[in-house]
Amino acid sequence: EAGVAQSPRYKIIEKRQSVAFWCNPISGHATLYWYQQILGQGPKLLIQFQNNGVVDDSQLPKDRFSAERLKGVDSTLKIQPAKLEDSAVYLCASSLVWGGLGGELFFGEGSRLTVL
Amino acid sequence: AQTVTQSQPEMSVQEAETVTLSCTYDTSESDYYLFWYKQPPSRQMILVIRQEAYKQQNATENRFSVNFQKAAKSFSLKISDSQLGDAAMYFCAYRSGGSQGNLIFGKGTKLSVKP
Repeated sequence: EAGVAQSPRYKIIEKRQSVAFWCNPISGHATLYWYQQILGQGPKLLIQFQNNGVVDDSQLPKDRFSAERLKGVDSTLKIQPAKLEDSAVYLCASSLVWGGLGGELFFGEGSRLTVL
Repeated sequence: AQTVTQSQPEMSVQEAETVTLSCTYDTSESDYYLFWYKQPPSRQMILVIRQEAYKQQNATENRFSVNFQKAAKSFSLKISDSQLGDAAMYFCAYRSGGSQGNLIFGKGTKLSVKP
């Protein structure tokens, strides 16, 4: 079974530039999550989708971050304009809606963003 | 709001020895799950072990076991017969009951294994 795919793995940009990250969840997983992991900290949820609808985006900085999940499969996370403090690893995860082994999340390898 | 606290930023263990990583959490909910995730350097986070709050029996997975103290809101991970491949960041995480809840993570514990 293929895992959660993310790209690009690494990205370096100047502040005020824009960047986009892509995620393809495990086939059949209806729930998709984007987490931000700043160095030395645990991941923090940015946004959660159920199919193509948003379940929770309360911690998404909406003035600069946006995310979409068209057709309930792939998702894109965009940052525009980027700030220095956005330097982090952006993790995508997916899970089954109901049951699914007690709510386990499956993670991708992450996209590491460096803002200069 | 739920919180997860890992008070040990770094831990070290000798190969083949046993180590225990600590985690405490705060919640007013009665239905929830607790997890330990492992994150090797530059690699994806993977589930180590899971505990359902309604189960009194502590979960075990091969060399990994937990000590779940519900009243004390404590959830520690014990790694027996430590191996070099166990070296990684370990995150304790909380998830509300109901499948749509997201994971709330602690800050992590970096585990080093000495040969």
